[in-house]
Parts: sequence; C-alpha cells; structure tokens
Amino acid sequence: DGGITQSPKYLFRKEGQNVTLSCEQNLNHDAMYWYRQDPGQGLRLIYYSQIVNDFQKGDIAEGYSVSREKKESFPLTVTSAQKNPTAFYLCASRGTSGGAGEQFFGPGTRLTVL
Amino acid sequence: GENVEQHPSTLSVQEGDSAVIKCTYSDSASNYFPWYKQELGKRPQLIIDIRSNVGEKKDQRIAVTLNKTAKHFSLHITETQPEDSAVYFCAASSGPGGGNKLTFGTGTQLKVEL
Repeated sequence: DGGITQSPKYLFRKEGQNVTLSCEQNLNHDAMYWYRQDPGQGLRLIYYSQIVNDFQKGDIAEGYSVSREKKESFPLTVTSAQKNPTAFYLCASRGTSGGAGEQFFGPGTRLTVL
Repeated sequence: GENVEQHPSTLSVQEGDSAVIKCTYSDSASNYFPWYKQELGKRPQLIIDIRSNVGEKKDQRIAVTLNKTAKHFSLHITETQPEDSAVYFCAASSGPGGGNKLTFGTGTQLKVEL
C-alpha cells in the first residue's frame, strides 16, 4: 500500500483551532485530491490540484484551505471556519496525463473535534 | 455539475449468489466510470473501471456495464464470497475539461451471508 501516505492517522482538535493534514505521494503524479467522508455517505471533493502551484475548489471547499508548492505534497488545513469538521479525510492522486484515470487513495486521517 | 445516484444503499445476498449495484449519472460529458471497494476503516480501492467508448468490461467475477444513452452503469459480482462484504462506490469523471474530478455515489453496503 505504499505510494501515497497521510499523517496523522488520528487527529483531535479543539474547537477554534486550525489543523493541517499531510498528504505525500512518491508516484510522480501530477493531480492530487482531497475528499471528506462522513458515515454512511460517499466521498465529497474538497479541493483538487492538477499541477504544482495551482488548485481549484471542489464541492465543499468552505472552511478549508490547501497549498501545492511541491509535486509530492498537498496539505489540507481545516480552519476554525469549518463548522462540522469531524470526518474521515482521504487524499488521492492520479497520474494519467491528459485524461481520466485511476485515483489512488491514501490511508486517510480521522479528525475528531473535541 | 455532475450528480451520481447509487442504489441500493444496502444489499444482502447469500454466498454464491450474484449481486448487482446500479448507478445513474447526469452529465453526458462524463467519460470514465470507476468502481471502488472500501472495507471498514480502510482506503477505497479500485476494483474495475470502464470508459465511455466501451459497453461492458469483465474481470473474473466482476463485470461492469455502461449504457451511455440512458446514463447508467452497473456493477455485477457473481459467485459472491464473504470477503466481498464491503461498501462499494461508483463514480463518474468529468473529463479533462472538468479537471478529471470524480463524483461519487453514496455507496452500497454489501453483506454476503454464509
């Protein structure tokens, strides 16, 4: 299961705090994605990046921010503006240039707001 | 934007029986349709995918069919086994013009009973 990693596996946050989730890949993939998964629901897209130094909002970007300074890294910051941040966060990357292809997922970070 | 609906939300079958999960999509520009399997607490993993220029694809006990006219696609699992028990997600890709984003269905909890 190597290639794309996320840390930490579990994260606890107090209300009002910002937290940053790490996502790293060594697959040489151009595109990277962040999803949020809530119990009994599908994956919802937060942000995505198709190339270094560029990223776009997904369907539920409010209260989140990202950066893409390196090809290998796509960290996600959950800000205090996110009203219900407790969820399972999944990062993914995709390598097929110019067309649709398989997205490989990291193991996820489970965030709990105390 | 794209909207993907998935049915049923839960499916219980006897070991050895077949299971069918159905999805519909709304965007006629979508051109890539993957299926992911997610075991409890784990990352989603691709089990099969199909592109819009193909009507059917099979891989051992798993097959996917696509009807572009009706905008629906289905996952078929034959000779089900207990290890097939998991949550299955369908997805549709927006294509290069939309960043190759994946829009996921809400998932089907498949339980294979002995």
